[in-house]
Amino acid sequence: QKEVEQNSGPLSVPEGAIASLNCTYSDRGSQSFFWYRQYSGKSPELIMFIYSNGDKEDGRFTAQLNKASQYVSLLIRDSQPSDSATYLCAVKRRGSTLGRLYFGRGTQLTVWP
Amino acid sequence: GAGVSQTPSNKVTEKGKYVELRCDPISGHTALYWYRQSLGQGPEFLIYFQGTGAADDSGLPNDRFFAVRPEGSVSTLKIQRTERGDSAVYLCASSLNTEAFFGQGTRLTVV
Repeated sequence: QKEVEQNSGPLSVPEGAIASLNCTYSDRGSQSFFWYRQYSGKSPELIMFIYSNGDKEDGRFTAQLNKASQYVSLLIRDSQPSDSATYLCAVKRRGSTLGRLYFGRGTQLTVWP
Repeated sequence: GAGVSQTPSNKVTEKGKYVELRCDPISGHTALYWYRQSLGQGPEFLIYFQGTGAADDSGLPNDRFFAVRPEGSVSTLKIQRTERGDSAVYLCASSLNTEAFFGQGTRLTVV
């Protein structure tokens, strides 16, 4: 079982819709959870991080964490074509060094006008 | 500098050759990481430096891979006897606390 699982997609939504991206992780002791956005041919850039159960909102983005279910999600409201990218879920496991993140393979999102 | 700088941006080498990939982190960032990203996959951890020392090198796939950061700033990832399976984008990131900032990567192609 991989450390971090994501549906590779592609996920396609119309402009203005809500895009929902999901991620599960295997290590129940994982502490920190990150969502990165990666445009084609570019480097990953951090969108949000979340540590505690519940929701965390930042503009059009909401991260949701459920540690009991080992599940983290990212909602993008009012999706825009510029949101089209691959979204990477990353997890820091308990006991691992600060710099060691475990990434999923990413979900490719396309927002069509 | 303004961001993490990696050179070269692209590198094509023949199987069996030695390559060096360079990373210049954001000024003042003490933590530096190397990751490798294969096509269609997420980044895979290789090594993490805190200052000059490798705090965690457990992600290096074998002894052909080595990395240094002698003065706690610039880091070099060295790959000996390259194999076709080493072809990937090698990403460097640096951080001061929680957020890691990635460079644009070096695309390595072994032919």
